[in-house]
Amino acid sequence: IVMTQSPATLSVSPGERATLSCRASQSVSSNLAWYQQKCGQAPRLLIYGASTRATGIPARFSGSGSGTEFTLTISSLQSEDFAVYYCQQYNDWPPETFGQGTKVEIK
Amino acid sequence: EVQLVESGGGLVKPGGSLRLSCAASGFTFSHAWMTWVRQAPGKGLEWVGRIKSKNDGGTTDYAAPVKGRFTISREDSKNMLYLQMNSLEIEDTAVYYCTTGSRRSGSQSPPIDYWGPGTLVTVSS
Repeated sequence: IVMTQSPATLSVSPGERATLSCRASQSVSSNLAWYQQKCGQAPRLLIYGASTRATGIPARFSGSGSGTEFTLTISSLQSEDFAVYYCQQYNDWPPETFGQGTKVEIK
Repeated sequence: EVQLVESGGGLVKPGGSLRLSCAASGFTFSHAWMTWVRQAPGKGLEWVGRIKSKNDGGTTDYAAPVKGRFTISREDSKNMLYLQMNSLEIEDTAVYYCTTGSRRSGSQSPPIDYWGPGTLVTVSS
């Protein structure tokens, strides 16, 4: 399964809304996760099951979608949210493929 | 607190071998499905392979680029995960992460809840 994220880079001002997309080449049901990775750090789980926030993740992060189309929305970007975001399907393996990532940068 | 700590990375020549280890703590290791994920310098995340718990058959799965060259094993008595890497290629240069997660209802496989800090493997002549 190929996971395609768009856009590759998203320039957003602090306080604005960010919308990231992830498309699967075939249905992955709701077995879709989103991760945040900051420079030099391991990724962190944000969302699983397409729309469930992981423990400790702020409410400004939300996920939606099922099947082949998914969205991660950050409602009001904080300075600590500028990072790279990856989607991953865990419906079918091997492998449990990741998207190529979307970099959210300060506008 | 869940902790995953990788070790064993380093510089190796093309065609060489290396074994990575992952020490796990803070959860019931024997019940966990354990996965290796890698990230080449400046690139995205790549799923390498996974080993299921012995309760779930203890089977392994690998991504195509590493199948036949890499072997994942586990030692439940020591809470240890291993990645034996043979016939290393320059393209295997990456930070290797040891990871695990909890299965949620309705899903066969878990998302990745926990990541180690990673260990760097450099394949170069």
